[in-house]
Amino acid sequence: DSGVTQTPKHLITATGQRVTLRCSPRSGDLSVYWYQQSLDQGLQFLIQYYNGEERAKGNILERFSAQQFPDLHSELNLSSLELGDSALYFCASSRAGGTRDEQFFGPGTRLTVL
Amino acid sequence: LAKTTQPISMDSYEGQEVNITCSHNNIATNDYITWYQQFPSQGPRFIIQGYKTKVTNEVASLFIPADRKSSTLSLPRVSLSDTAVYYCLVGGVNRDDKIIFGKGTRLHILP
Repeated sequence: DSGVTQTPKHLITATGQRVTLRCSPRSGDLSVYWYQQSLDQGLQFLIQYYNGEERAKGNILERFSAQQFPDLHSELNLSSLELGDSALYFCASSRAGGTRDEQFFGPGTRLTVL
Repeated sequence: LAKTTQPISMDSYEGQEVNITCSHNNIATNDYITWYQQFPSQGPRFIIQGYKTKVTNEVASLFIPADRKSSTLSLPRVSLSDTAVYYCLVGGVNRDDKIIFGKGTRLHILP
C-alpha cells in the first residue's frame, strides 16, 4: 500500500459525458501527479501540482482539467469523453515535487467510455 | 528533461541475472537516474535511484558509467514474479520539468 488513494476504482460512462477522478496523496506529500495509461501503452504524464499550484504540464487535452485543493487532495476532470479516453488513470504523490523525487502511485481508476 | 531510450522487451529465465540498459545522452549535470517497476494494472513502484557509479539495494543494482550517458539496471537471480515493465526516468530537482516515463522495457521471465 503506497498510501495514495484514488476513487473510484472503476468508472463506466458514455461518450460525451463528464467524470471526476479523485486522488488523496500520502500524508506530508505536497506534489500530486496525474498519468494516463492506455492499453499496452506507457505512462503518459498529464499534469503536476505542487502545494495547490500547477507545476508542470504534459500531454493533457484541453477537455481535461485538474486542480489541487488546500487539503492537498486533487481532482482530474474529464469532459466530452471519447472512446479513446478509456484508460487507467494513475495519481502519484511525492514530498517535494522534483523529477528526481520518488513518486508513490495510487491503485488507479479504470475508465471505460462506451 | 533528458530523453531516455530502452529496449522494448526482454526475455530471461528464472535464476538468471538480468541487465536492462537505458540510454540518456542528454542527461544534465544535476539529473538523477531513477528506475520504476510496474506490474499489470498496478501503479509503478520505485526500485532504485542513482547519480553516478554504482548503487545497490535489496532488490537491484544500478550501474552508471563516468559519462552518465547510460545506466544499467541489474536484477540478480530473477524469478517469475519479476515479470513486469521497467521504466528508466531521468530528472533533477527542477519542479517545472515534465515527467517522461516512456514505454519502458517489458521483461518476461520464463520458467
